[in-house]
Amino acid sequence: RKEVEQDPGPFNVPEGATVAFNCTYSNSASQSFFWYRQDCRKEPKLLMSVYSSGNEDGRFTAQLNRASQYISLLIRDSKLSDSATYLCVVNVGGSYIPTFGRGTSLIVHP
Amino acid sequence: NAGVTQTPKFRVLKTGQSMTLLCAQDMNHEYMYWYRQDPGMGLRLIHYSVGEGTTAKGEVPDGYNVSRLKKQNFLLGLESAAPSQTSVYFCATGRGPTDTQYFGPGTRLTVL
Repeated sequence: RKEVEQDPGPFNVPEGATVAFNCTYSNSASQSFFWYRQDCRKEPKLLMSVYSSGNEDGRFTAQLNRASQYISLLIRDSKLSDSATYLCVVNVGGSYIPTFGRGTSLIVHP
Repeated sequence: NAGVTQTPKFRVLKTGQSMTLLCAQDMNHEYMYWYRQDPGMGLRLIHYSVGEGTTAKGEVPDGYNVSRLKKQNFLLGLESAAPSQTSVYFCATGRGPTDTQYFGPGTRLTVL
């Protein structure tokens, strides 16, 4: 089983839709969690951190479920500009190396 | 502040040639990473450094060498390029292992 798994998609949704992605991780010692956004042929950029209490930033909500070992990203009122690949990142306590998922592709159409 | 920069942005090599990719940061971060990204493979860690003068192997280190002689620079070398090293290379920096990573714009390398 891969350490961090994401559904590659693509998720194809109309503008205004609500869409959610999950990312599962295998190491229960995982300590920190992030969602990054990567546009085509660009570098990944931090979208938001994921805290135990959850995190909301405008239309974006991230949550952590430690019992089931997954994090989620919810996007409300999708915009065309939300089209991108969303990467989840997990850090295991004591490790120098973060683990990236392979990403979930989102396409928002008019 | 420039953040994280990478040079060159594009390069075409012939099999067997050598080259060095430079990553420079002005964020005073201790940790620096080199990744490669291939279609369908996601980001794979090549080498990383936890501070000036240190380097360590990542997931796919074969065929690459690195050096971190100065805190702000992390160099990735290809001694004898192979077509399998055709990829997009990203450098990233961070304050620590559980902290946010900041990526450079990438280097697109083609080996013929």
